[in-house]
Amino acid sequence: DTAVSQTPKYLVTQMGNDKSIKCEQNLGHDTMYWYKQDSKKFLKIMFSYNNKELIINETVPNRFSPKSPDKAHLNLHINSLELGDSAVYFCASSQVYSGLAKNIQYFGAGTRLSVL
Amino acid sequence: GENVEQHPSTLSVQEGDSAVIKCTYSDSASNYFPWYKQELGKGPQLIIDIRSNVGEKKDQRIAVTLNKTAKHFSLHITETQPEDSAVYFCAAKLGRNDMRFGAGTRLTVKP
Repeated sequence: DTAVSQTPKYLVTQMGNDKSIKCEQNLGHDTMYWYKQDSKKFLKIMFSYNNKELIINETVPNRFSPKSPDKAHLNLHINSLELGDSAVYFCASSQVYSGLAKNIQYFGAGTRLSVL
Repeated sequence: GENVEQHPSTLSVQEGDSAVIKCTYSDSASNYFPWYKQELGKGPQLIIDIRSNVGEKKDQRIAVTLNKTAKHFSLHITETQPEDSAVYFCAAKLGRNDMRFGAGTRLTVKP
């Protein structure tokens, strides 16, 4: 079974549309993340949720809205898609322990979003 | 802006040679430094990590060194093989849930 699975793997859409990417983890982790990887491979954190609560919200347009219905799911909804949103989006999860430095993140395979 | 800088952005070596990738970080409170390998079409995967109370860690052909004073850490791959070809990311933990990644190094190992 895939530990962190995200769907769809590919998403091609027109500018102005609204789309969602789903992510599920079966590792029992309490923290989930969304990253954006641009064409130059730069991996930038967008959001982090811990036990369904938003912990990190980087400078991301408010067209991007994460939703965490439970600890195992973190979905990403994007409104009014723009050309610059084209990228690969990665979901990740980790188990964070108070007092411990280690934070191993497990990544999904990515969703390649192309906005035409 | 970026909290972790990574160099070089591309690295090409001959099979059997060593490869070294270097990173610097800015937050002196960072205490955990993982390295991830991303193969084509896949998500990044942890290959080795080091905590701030350790100066060096080795796992077979890969090793990581950390200089806390200088805020530098490096990945060393010895006896490189074609299957080592990938994009490598360093990262530094800023807060409890916050990991910042370097810009990545595309390593090519020529047979």
